[in-house]
Amino acid sequence: DAKTTQPPSMDCAEGRAANLPCNHSTISGNEYVYWYRQIHSQGPQYIIHGLKNNETNEMASLIITEDRKSSTLILPHATLRDTAVYYCIVRVGGGGGADGLTFGKGTHLIIQP
Amino acid sequence: DSGVTQTPKHLITATGQRVTLRCSPRSGDLSVYWYQQSLDQGLQFLIQYYNGEERAKGNILERFSAQQFPDLHSELNLSSLELGDSALYFCASSVGLSFPHEQFFGPGTRLTVL
Repeated sequence: DAKTTQPPSMDCAEGRAANLPCNHSTISGNEYVYWYRQIHSQGPQYIIHGLKNNETNEMASLIITEDRKSSTLILPHATLRDTAVYYCIVRVGGGGGADGLTFGKGTHLIIQP
Repeated sequence: DSGVTQTPKHLITATGQRVTLRCSPRSGDLSVYWYQQSLDQGLQFLIQYYNGEERAKGNILERFSAQQFPDLHSELNLSSLELGDSALYFCASSVGLSFPHEQFFGPGTRLTVL
């Protein structure tokens, strides 16, 4: 799986959009970008994933650059409950088998009141 | 609530001992994954089972073993425990092997080895 680079920490004001960047310059054509988050020692929680098109769900939006070398997770209206460590993970998609996720150090997002 | 349950929530034991952690996946999920989270190693994948069969191995020590039973619940066995095995152990489940492999995590078991 391709390696990812994320800033170790970020602050965001409550109610504002939180934009979390992820660099994955070595991503290959069949690799997807996934985002998970972990709220203080709870089990990680799936947020969103994408291949090359921008994706949106009830939790967040995922913007992937045209060259797919980087992406941004957007939490449109951050709340205090969004304070967590956010992990960007790149892994091969498609069928034929699944294995464990490779978590890096992630970005510790702190939402300020 | 992810639908994945883990027991016990906390476990305190001594070095050299053996413990068993239990996981019940979400209803209908056939794949179970085990992860270890420690302060120095971060969140690491240990092992995956799919419908009772071992499917993938990560950084699992030989002292550790797992199995998935016919009712799809899974157990992680840790033996000859060392101080460094103190960690949070998470179980996750997914529907199967088909994409997109979204995994649902349980609340974890905190193991303390004294």
